[in-house]
Amino acid sequence: GAGVSQSPRYKVAKRGQDVALRCDPISGHVSLFWYQQALGQGPEFLTYFQNEAQLDKSGLPSDRFFAERPEGSVSTLKIQRTQQEDSAVYLCASSPSFFETGELFFGEGSRLTVL
Amino acid sequence: AQTVTQSQPEMSVQEAETVTLSCTYDTSESDYYLFWYKQPPSRQMILVIRQEAYKQQNATENRFSVNFQKAAKSFSLKISDSQLGDAAMYFCAYKGPQGGSEKLVFGKGTKLTVNP
Repeated sequence: GAGVSQSPRYKVAKRGQDVALRCDPISGHVSLFWYQQALGQGPEFLTYFQNEAQLDKSGLPSDRFFAERPEGSVSTLKIQRTQQEDSAVYLCASSPSFFETGELFFGEGSRLTVL
Repeated sequence: AQTVTQSQPEMSVQEAETVTLSCTYDTSESDYYLFWYKQPPSRQMILVIRQEAYKQQNATENRFSVNFQKAAKSFSLKISDSQLGDAAMYFCAYKGPQGGSEKLVFGKGTKLTVNP
């Protein structure tokens, strides 16, 4: 499809497992963001890429969180040794011109549940 | 740091009526962008309306309009002729000027229910 695609849509992990969440942005979109949305809350910024360069990772909550976008297209958010507090919906968003417009195009999110 | 506050966790409106969702924000910048995003249940978030702070005229998009009060740092969303499909979470968001922090800062959201 033409939208931002995220997989898996749902992931259940046991505490301590590693997980990887994938984001396929809209083709040609140079800006890519990851947000974390806890239940009943607004999205919280995690990290931001411009092409393959990770320009801001100030929102990553700990060194267990790692994101990459090696070829400037698909991005992966990896969470190591998951904890219960990592349970949330992880939203990916892309933009062709975020600097100018501020508009983001969001995927449907990956819902992570850590037991 | 910039903050966005939505003081109404939930709102309800009758179909065809008008509802206003509130948003306030805190910033020391003079140039910035404000947004309202809509998140329907189990669907992706989409942009509803955008306002540039340097524009005095309030933005409108069909049934959606904003009341931007820069001095008061207030940015409310008015939905006219509400429809069942308007039911969703609505998030107010702030973006600083170009060259500054390049991210959207979101409020906690307002859940809008539309009653038939």
